[in-house]
This record gives sequence, C-alpha cells and structure tokens, in this order.
Amino acid sequence: LAKTTQPISMDSYEGQEVNITCSHNNIATNDYITWYQQFPSQGPRFIIQGYKTKVTNEVASLFIPADRKSSTLSLPRVSLSDTAVYYCLVGPYGQNFVFGPGTRLSVLP
Amino acid sequence: DSGVTQTPKHLITATGQRVTLRCSPRSGDLSVYWYQQSLDQGLQFLIQYYNGEERAKGNILERFSAQQFPDLHSELNLSSLELGDSALYFCASSLGGRNEQFFGPGTRLTVL
Repeated sequence: LAKTTQPISMDSYEGQEVNITCSHNNIATNDYITWYQQFPSQGPRFIIQGYKTKVTNEVASLFIPADRKSSTLSLPRVSLSDTAVYYCLVGPYGQNFVFGPGTRLSVLP
Repeated sequence: DSGVTQTPKHLITATGQRVTLRCSPRSGDLSVYWYQQSLDQGLQFLIQYYNGEERAKGNILERFSAQQFPDLHSELNLSSLELGDSALYFCASSLGGRNEQFFGPGTRLTVL
C-alpha cells in the first residue's frame, strides 16, 4: 500500500480556505485517495474520495494532479467546528484502511 | 449518528482477562472493520470481514480474534489483556467493500 505524508499540524482562521496536501509518491494505478475527519474521542468521518482530477461535494474539494503523486483537500471558509485531525488514505478500492498520523487542523477565531 | 453501534461504551478490566467487544453495522452493510486507536500508535487497522468471511488482516495480535455472524454483527475478542491494550476500539462498516466507511462511537477499554 502506498505510503502517505501529510503535515503534522496546521493553523488557520475562521472564514479562510484551508488546503491540506498529502504526498503519495508510490501510488499504484488502481489506488484511490480517501480523506477522513476525526474529532477527539469520536470515530473518523468520511469526507471525500477521488481517483484523478477534481472531486467536489458539499463539504470539501479534492484536487489530484495528473501524476497522482499528491492530493490536496480543500476546505472552504473553515469555522471553529472544523478543528479536527484530517487523514489521507491511499489504497485499492475497498482497501483504504491504513491511517497515518494525519494533520491536526486548528481553526482560530 | 453513523448508524453503527458498539457495545459497551466503556470497559474496565484487569491484566490477563478476556473481553468481547460487539459491533452492529449499518443496515445493509456487508463489510465490518475493526480499528485500535491508542495515544502512541494512532489509528491501527486490525481486521476486515465481508459477509461473514475474513477479507483483510492488519496489525492484529494473536491474542485478538474477531468474527462476523450471519446477521452481520461482529465481535472482537481480546484475551490475555495487557496494559498496552488500553485504547479506543472502533468498528466501521461499509456497503460491500466500498471506500466510504462509517465508524461507530467506539469502545474505550482500560486495562488496569
């Protein structure tokens, strides 16, 4: 399974757009990219997944360049309630269960 | 509320004991996953079942075992417990083997 690298932590202010980048240099052809959000003492919550180009849902956007060696999760206009840990997972469809240390996002007022 | 239920919420036991954690997946979900989350190890994948059969195995210790029953609920059995087994244990389910997993609220296990 592809190894992922994300920043350990990020700070942002309310109302700003936040971009979290995940590197996955050895991503395989059949690998998908999935992002989860986790609040303290709660189970992770699925945010978005993609294979290539751009995916958007009501919560976030996921940008994947043509070489697929990285991906960027974009959270528009964050609020205090977006303070959480964000995980990037890479693996074949249905086999995305390797969680790394994630990125701890702190949204400040 | 993800629709995944886990019991019990909290469990306190002693070293050397055996416990069983239970998970009921969302209605219609055939896959069940078990994860362990401790402060120093992060979220570790343990095992996946699909429609009663083991589908994938992660860092699950030999002292741990799991099964998925015909009604699709799953149980994680932890035996010969050690202090280091203290952690949050999450169950997740998904429709078939899809990437979108729905996580339960977790069982907090404390081994004294």
